[in-house]
Order: sequence, then C-alpha cells, then structure tokens
Amino acid sequence: AQTVTQSQPEMSVQEAETVTLSCTYDTSESNYYLFWYKQPPSRQMILVIRQEAYKQQNATENRFSVNFQKAAKSFSLKISDSQLGDTAMYFCAFMKFSTGANSKLTFGKGITLSVRP
Amino acid sequence: DAMVIQNPRYQVTQFGKPVTLSCSQTLNHNVMYWYQQKSSQAPKLLFHYYDKDFNNEADTPDNFQSRRPNTSFCFLDIRSPGLGDAAMYLCATSRDYAATYEQYFGPGTRLTVT
Repeated sequence: AQTVTQSQPEMSVQEAETVTLSCTYDTSESNYYLFWYKQPPSRQMILVIRQEAYKQQNATENRFSVNFQKAAKSFSLKISDSQLGDTAMYFCAFMKFSTGANSKLTFGKGITLSVRP
Repeated sequence: DAMVIQNPRYQVTQFGKPVTLSCSQTLNHNVMYWYQQKSSQAPKLLFHYYDKDFNNEADTPDNFQSRRPNTSFCFLDIRSPGLGDAAMYLCATSRDYAATYEQYFGPGTRLTVT
C-alpha cells in the first residue's frame, strides 16, 4: 500500500515571496505519478501539477514547480511570486501506473497555505 | 460552465435519517468517484464507477451505497447516518482510470448530522 505524508499542517507566506510545500511518500511501485492539488476555501479541488516518476525532469506549470527526488521519495511544491489567490489547502497525491480500476489517488492530509498581503 | 456539480452544497440530516447526495457532470466522462473528506484529513475514496461498472472500496461501510443511473448523474446514499459520517463529500470525474487523465472535482457537499 502507498502512503503520502504531509507533515506541515499550515504555512504562511508574504505576497510575492516564494514558498515550498513538502511531501514524502512510500511505495514499492517503480512506475507511478505524483500530483499536487489545490482546494481553495469553499471551491472545488483542482490539479496544480503532475509528475511522472519515470521522467527525471521536474514538472513546471507557470509559477508552480516541483522538486522530485525519487530515491528520497520526496515531492515538494514550490510556488513563486505568491499571490493572494494561492491561499488554499494543498494536497499531495500518489497514483500507481495502471490503466484499470485499481488506479486510485492516495492523498496526503493536506497543508493550509495562507498568503498574506 | 460548471463541469462537476454537486447538490446540495450543504446538507443537514438527523441521526439515522437516510440522506442522498447528488453529483452531475457535463464532461461526458466514463469514471465517477465519491470521496469522503473529514476535517484535517485526506480525502478517502469510497467508490467509483466506470460507466455502470461499480467498484466499492474494501473499507467503505455498508451504510454507504451509490447509484449511477446514467453517464451524467451519480448519487451517494447514506442509509442510516451516524455522527461519524459528518464530512465533506466530494464527487470527481475522469475520462478514464489512467493517471494521464485528470480528475475533475465538484465543490463538495458538506454533511452535518444532528
């Protein structure tokens, strides 16, 4: 079974600054995907970024980038130039490589990020 | 242009009184999921459908059931809600099961049990 650990329950950052959210995971799978999801207050969860484990290059989406360390089983999210709209709960998630019904997201407990004006 | 819609957004029910939560989608996706998210906890998958094929997670309580009458709609029935069932219930959809297909979430229904 897979586990995803987000040990920091809350973080705060000043607007325009950079913040890094940590995530570690445990799996015996060799091929898998990692995700960061954002859940703003009272709004739906949306996908921020996805990383395929077999790709060495770290994924980047505009101000969001990851630091994927496969050997260390670490997957952190860096948010550059933080904006007030980044205030949300962020979930790290894991999915093993599969095309069938056993493809499921395993989520961490999440971290609440507050961006201060 | 909402894609995954959940109704109601807030639901209050009494202990032991059956309740139904609904989810609809305009994406024509094959897969629909129900998650339970308790405060400060990770979303927990309850069940999922590929079209009409139903998959129940092993640790989903028998008190929880689901129906998917057509591609667009999916329902979560809680037969006899207990206080421990108070949570946010999230519906999500994806085109297929593989991780290359993004899951799209609804805004959730917050269930309170009194």
